[in-house]
Amino acid sequence: GEDVEQSLFLSVREGDSSVINCTYTDSSSTYLYWYKQEPGAGLQLLTYIFSNMDMKQDQRLTVLLNKKDKHLSLRIADTQTGDSAIYFCAESSGSSNTGKLIFGQGTTLQVKP
Amino acid sequence: GAGVSQSPSNKVTEKGKDVELRCDPISGHTALYWYRQSLGQGLEFLIYFQGNSAPDKSGLPSDRFSAERTGGSVSTLTIQRTQQEDSAVYLCASSSYTGELFFGEGSRLTVL
Repeated sequence: GEDVEQSLFLSVREGDSSVINCTYTDSSSTYLYWYKQEPGAGLQLLTYIFSNMDMKQDQRLTVLLNKKDKHLSLRIADTQTGDSAIYFCAESSGSSNTGKLIFGQGTTLQVKP
Repeated sequence: GAGVSQSPSNKVTEKGKDVELRCDPISGHTALYWYRQSLGQGLEFLIYFQGNSAPDKSGLPSDRFSAERTGGSVSTLTIQRTQQEDSAVYLCASSSYTGELFFGEGSRLTVL
């Protein structure tokens, strides 16, 4: 069935780049997403990419998509302590653009000063 | 309101009791979703309402779970005869035509 996998934990130093990786199984997914969850808060959409794109850049965020390998990554440049949070990768369920998403387990990003 | 509002924020109940969780979506959003986040797990889709269409209930884990959306706005998720494995954070989200999900802060359910 559909599945999304992420590593559970990443620790970086402030100012370094962070790369969070994700693999997915549903090749028909049209959209892939990165959500951020700060402690005690709801999830917030960070960015998304259409499946026909290879890369999307948005300020400090770069999303890379390798559709052949079904691999998605999120790079955060110049990581700050405020970036400490749980990051969820998600794929749309099938080819529709609904909010019915398949989420990974989340990667906890720890940023050390 | 400005965002998705959920209540209660915390609920502790005894095994076997029924619970109701409420979600007030962003005004004007036509789609409403319920997800469940168990400890150490990703979000699990439960149910999806879109306008006046029949809801997509494909994620509900058992017939003890049900949800309704009255007047196309507020939604209530009901869990009957709660079990300890129902303990989780229940997240509600709404979206407009863009498809972007806006999440509430969740209702943390603990079943003793």
